[in-house]
Amino acid sequence: GAVVSQHPSWVICKSGTSVKIECRSLDFQATTMFWYRQFPKQSLMLMATSNEGSKATYEQGVEKDKFLINHASLTLSTLTVTSAHPEDSSFYICSAKGQGGDNSPLHFGNGTRLTVT
Amino acid sequence: SQQGEEDPQALSIQEGENATMNCSYKTSINNLQWYRQNSGRGLVHLILIRSNEREKHSGRLRVTLDTSKKSSSLLITASRAADTASYFCATDARGSNYKLTFGKGTLLTVNP
Repeated sequence: GAVVSQHPSWVICKSGTSVKIECRSLDFQATTMFWYRQFPKQSLMLMATSNEGSKATYEQGVEKDKFLINHASLTLSTLTVTSAHPEDSSFYICSAKGQGGDNSPLHFGNGTRLTVT
Repeated sequence: SQQGEEDPQALSIQEGENATMNCSYKTSINNLQWYRQNSGRGLVHLILIRSNEREKHSGRLRVTLDTSKKSSSLLITASRAADTASYFCATDARGSNYKLTFGKGTLLTVNP
């Protein structure tokens, strides 16, 4: 089955630094990837849609200069949290759409737990 | 308003019992999907039901969809302790370009 690898699985950083999270589709090409954020015991909230070769589409209320998304190839999208602050601490999950047409499921990475101290 | 509201928010049952979780949504959809999430992990796709389907089975899972009521249910039969996880429904709304909207989820605990 389709596999999405997300790295790192957890990261601790100091306030003011930047953190990059990678999302790779290992055995399929993904023209579209999605980045979600999840707070403890809550649902996933879509942050942005990452399109290969073009600018990401951000959801309302998500700062594009804060959360930089790059989708430079058909198998890799990256999310960079710039100038991280403690309120950015969260669980970030990426997903990629499979190639089975409109009614194909999303394939999720295992998430990245970000803690900003 | 939020798509994909599940109920109950939490469900605790004994091994061997059946677990039923419900999901309601608000807009027209292409399909509805159920996902499972173990604590601190990513989501695992369980089953997808298209808008023109009413029921679907996969192993111990049974999903129903009622588009007139904009609701879906997930039934897990003969539950096992390993089924303990959070379960989310997600809707792929028409015209959304594959963007899924997730509900708040149901935390299922299966006691051995």
